[in-house]
Amino acid sequence: DAGVIQSPRHEVTEMGQEVTLRCKPISGHNSLFWYRQTMMRGLELLIYFNNNVPIDDSGMPEDRFSAKMPNASFSTLKIQPSEPRDSAVYFCASRSPGQGDEQYFGPGTRLTVT
Amino acid sequence: AQSVTQPDIHITVSEGASLELRCNYSYGATPYLFWYVQSPGQGLQLLLKYFSGDTLVQGIKGFEAEFKRSQSSFNLRKPSVHWSDAAEYFCAVGRSYNTDKLIFGTGTRLQVFP
Repeated sequence: DAGVIQSPRHEVTEMGQEVTLRCKPISGHNSLFWYRQTMMRGLELLIYFNNNVPIDDSGMPEDRFSAKMPNASFSTLKIQPSEPRDSAVYFCASRSPGQGDEQYFGPGTRLTVT
Repeated sequence: AQSVTQPDIHITVSEGASLELRCNYSYGATPYLFWYVQSPGQGLQLLLKYFSGDTLVQGIKGFEAEFKRSQSSFNLRKPSVHWSDAAEYFCAVGRSYNTDKLIFGTGTRLQVFP
């Protein structure tokens, strides 16, 4: 299995631009998570989906952030407009059905907003 | 509310020395506990997990952790550290009935000297 796939791996953009991060979960996994990692705040859960349905988006920082999961094999995290404080590493993780199964993390997307 | 504390931000050990990374959690019921490792530029990889049963759990790469309910701790240990173990280590806690949301500690960065 290829694992969780994220693209792009690195993104540099200017303030005010729209940014779209992409994630392909492991086949057969029915839960998908988006995290943000920064030095100041550590690893934060932004939103997670079960069976393509958003379950908890309480970690999404503001309305500038949105996430979608149109099907079981694809999810996007969009920031519009981006700001320098959004600079971070964004991770996607997926989990298989079954209580307690671990989350498998992708390699992350390093976002820099100038 | 759940919380996780990793008291040590940075630990330095010599190769071959023993290692113990501390993790304390706060949760009213029996938690689900995890240790993840993150190598530079990589996503998080699960080392081991505890749900129930034997309080001493074995993981990958020679790591083990012991759940101590009386101390609300889940410390990670390795008897002999290798240079390749240099990485950041995260402890995480999930609710016993729903591990969708994991709360991560702030991480401990391990440096290994030859």
